[in-house]
Amino acid sequence: GQSLEQPSEVTAVEGAIVQINCTYQTSGFYGLSWYQQHDGGAPTFLSYNALDGLEETGRFSSFLSRSDSYGYLLLQELQMKDSASYFCAVGQDSNYQLIWGAGTKLIIKP
Amino acid sequence: DADVTQTPRNRITKTGKRIMLECSQTKGHDRMYWYRQDPGLGLRLIYYSFDVKDINKGEISDGYSVSRQAQAKFSLSLESAIPNQTALYFCATSDLQGGRETQYFGPGTRLLVL
Repeated sequence: GQSLEQPSEVTAVEGAIVQINCTYQTSGFYGLSWYQQHDGGAPTFLSYNALDGLEETGRFSSFLSRSDSYGYLLLQELQMKDSASYFCAVGQDSNYQLIWGAGTKLIIKP
Repeated sequence: DADVTQTPRNRITKTGKRIMLECSQTKGHDRMYWYRQDPGLGLRLIYYSFDVKDINKGEISDGYSVSRQAQAKFSLSLESAIPNQTALYFCATSDLQGGRETQYFGPGTRLLVL
């Protein structure tokens, strides 16, 4: 079967660093994406990894290990506005359709 | 102006009624999607379309139908609404560049079926 596993909830302190993990099992693999969704809002694209390694975009970084079917999203210098749900998604076939994880709710405490 | 718009934003209907949710986009993308999201869960794909003449069922298409009237318009219909179709519905478009698909979401439609 196809599945993406990520923690349902993560709690961190403002100013700290947090890592959100994602493991996947899919019939194909065409990249790992991360999206952010604030309560009541729509998902918005954060980052994408097609190859192994780290991609950095400002305070956010995303990592991929294809041999381990694993990736993570790293958020640094956490701000209260980072409180949101974060979804990993895998492009799993030649049409690059996305398969979505259930999302990780990030709770940030002052 | 928003690139992906959905109407209505909120809808309350009764069991058995037929309703239509509409989606329009100005991004010029060929690919369009309809998802539903239930509380605490991820996005589940209902239908998707890669161009005007291409319509495909997603993971949970039963009880739903779609129409791709033009490149810019993709409508979702609930033929006979039932309470477990109460959810948040998102339309999305996507572009594919260098093997990377990025999806752009509308603001969502909150549907309550009584």
